[in-house]
Amino acid sequence: QKEVEQNSGPLSVPEGAIASLNCTYSDRGSQSFFWYRQYSGKSPELIMFIYSNGDKEDGRFTAQLNKASQYVSLLIRDSQPSDSATYLCAIHTNAGKSTFGDGTTLTVKP
Amino acid sequence: GAVVSQHPSRVICKSGTSVKIECRSLDFQATTMFWYRQFPKKSLMLMATSNEGSKATYEQGVEKDKFLINHASLTLSTLTVTSAHPEDSSFYICSAIPAGTTAYEQYFGPGTRLTVT
Repeated sequence: QKEVEQNSGPLSVPEGAIASLNCTYSDRGSQSFFWYRQYSGKSPELIMFIYSNGDKEDGRFTAQLNKASQYVSLLIRDSQPSDSATYLCAIHTNAGKSTFGDGTTLTVKP
Repeated sequence: GAVVSQHPSRVICKSGTSVKIECRSLDFQATTMFWYRQFPKKSLMLMATSNEGSKATYEQGVEKDKFLINHASLTLSTLTVTSAHPEDSSFYICSAIPAGTTAYEQYFGPGTRLTVT
């Protein structure tokens, strides 16, 4: 089992819709959870991080964390074509290690 | 804030030569930096963790004598690919964690595309 699992996609949503990206992790000792966006040929950029159960909102982005279910998600409201990218989920564990998922490719169609 | 730079952005070198890549945190201090490589349409592969003032920790399968890492200050880490070969051609990306953070978020540099001919 991979430490961080993501559906590779591609996930396709129409412009203006809500895109929902999901991630599960195996290490219950994980402390912090991150979402990064990576455009083709570019390096990842941090969108947001969360470390408490519940929701965290930042503009059109909402991260949701459920530690009991070992599940973290990212919602993108009012999706735009410029949101088309690969989204990487990452965790940081108590052991001081950061692990990335393989990413979900999102396509927002005009 | 939280800007990380890398230099060079692109480099082409001949087989057998060495290449140095610099990673700098521009507006924060970073006690920990990471080096990744990424092949086209593939996931990030962690190569090593670089801690200021100490030896880097390499991931399994990464040759420490081939990929030399130096973290000489709180804002600079370097990766030297020694005796490069065509199979070393890849996208190399560094990241840095701000000193004192409790979330351990990583800020990535823009990457260096290495081509070995």
